[in-house]
Amino acid sequence: EVQLLESGGGLVQPGGSLRLSCAASGITFSSHAMSWVRQAPGKGLEWVSGISGTGGSTYYADSVKGRFTISRDNSKNTLYLQMKSLRAEDTAVYYCAKDPLFEPYPLFDYWGQGTLVTVSS
Amino acid sequence: EAVLTQSPATLSLSPGERATLSCEASQSVSSNYLAWYQQKPGLAPRLLIYAASSRATGIPDRFSGSGSGTDFTLTISRLEPEDFAVYYCQQYGSSLPITFGQGTRLEIK
Repeated sequence: EVQLLESGGGLVQPGGSLRLSCAASGITFSSHAMSWVRQAPGKGLEWVSGISGTGGSTYYADSVKGRFTISRDNSKNTLYLQMKSLRAEDTAVYYCAKDPLFEPYPLFDYWGQGTLVTVSS
Repeated sequence: EAVLTQSPATLSLSPGERATLSCEASQSVSSNYLAWYQQKPGLAPRLLIYAASSRATGIPDRFSGSGSGTDFTLTISRLEPEDFAVYYCQQYGSSLPITFGQGTRLEIK
């Protein structure tokens, strides 16, 4: 059974930093691209960032480029999102999502349960 | 990047009825790489349809997708109580970033 378990969310002040993690099980983690997708309260889905199976290729939405860094540790089956210079508009539930392919399609065939990030003073 | 426009924004139907949801792309979707997701309150989205018409693993056959180019449709042939949710379309397989449609809320009439 595929499981994706996010952690690391919480309340952070504007300008602050936070690192999200997503622990994967039930898959050959290194064979799949992964992405972060977020959803602001009461809003729709927004793709944030994607990474290839090896971690050699990374991709970002314009809204987070230069502030967020996606990475992965295939030895730990874990995906990360380092977030810096956080803004109020980054407040959202952040989901990690698995891609069926090695490079980001990106198509999301499995999702984690999400972790809430709240940016507020 | 293609802009995806879903209609209607809200659809009110009764269990047992047929639901038809639309997704229009601002430019042709390459290879019909169009997916549909279902999201229930408080839960993560779930992949229903990929490549415009292929059902994902475990998805009941009352869900079907169709369309090509810029116009796509998700049809639920006979609504079950658990089908009332928000549905999103998404294009993939082209250059990043990708976008989702704004969603269609399917509510019980």
